[in-house]
Amino acid sequence: DAGITQSPRHKVTETGTPVTLRCHQTENHRYMYWYRQDPGHGLRLIHYSYGVKDTDKGEVSDGYSVSRSKTEDFLLTLESATSSQTSVYFCAIRPSGITYEQYFGPGTRLTVT
Amino acid sequence: QQQVKQSPQSLIVQKGGISIINCAYENTAFDYFPWYQQFPGKGPALLIAIRPDVSEKKEGRFTISFNKSAKQFSLHIMDSQPGDSATYFCAASTSNDYKLSFGAGTTVTVRA
Repeated sequence: DAGITQSPRHKVTETGTPVTLRCHQTENHRYMYWYRQDPGHGLRLIHYSYGVKDTDKGEVSDGYSVSRSKTEDFLLTLESATSSQTSVYFCAIRPSGITYEQYFGPGTRLTVT
Repeated sequence: QQQVKQSPQSLIVQKGGISIINCAYENTAFDYFPWYQQFPGKGPALLIAIRPDVSEKKEGRFTISFNKSAKQFSLHIMDSQPGDSATYFCAASTSNDYKLSFGAGTTVTVRA
């Protein structure tokens, strides 16, 4: 998994509660991404980061925020979880330089009841 | 609106057969086309990728065919094996932002 860990791996939470998912990488990559995976949609980009404190929105960013205070950690926060945010969340890294490849972590399965 | 359309949604192939998955795109700025393989409970793993300056790329039993004029690309899995049973995703990105747009996925089942 390209030196990427995600925590927690599974979480069940109630509607309206805040949730934070963590992505941790060990290889000092500059670029990090958060995706969600849902049946029939493939993977969709939520937010991404191109450096410490540098983040931008993806195609499905509503209801999500991110933070990156250290190179190795990229946090995804659901401010007030909704049932539509039940999904599998994947973090990815892209090595620095002129390279397109992205490598994914093991995922976090989030269920909002 | 999905920028990359993938078909079929699922397919079943006999061991030793050929699996073919097709993808189409509209954004002519796309210039990188990877395929990912995903097993249940795991993250997607980069399988093979192509740039539009070539029409075909082969790595082992996996081949990407690319048709720039038709804005289509496909994955061929030759001599399919039960271990190839997985979900496959095509994707595309540009050199402008490197953000990946994914197809919806194809579940491949290889029967022994």
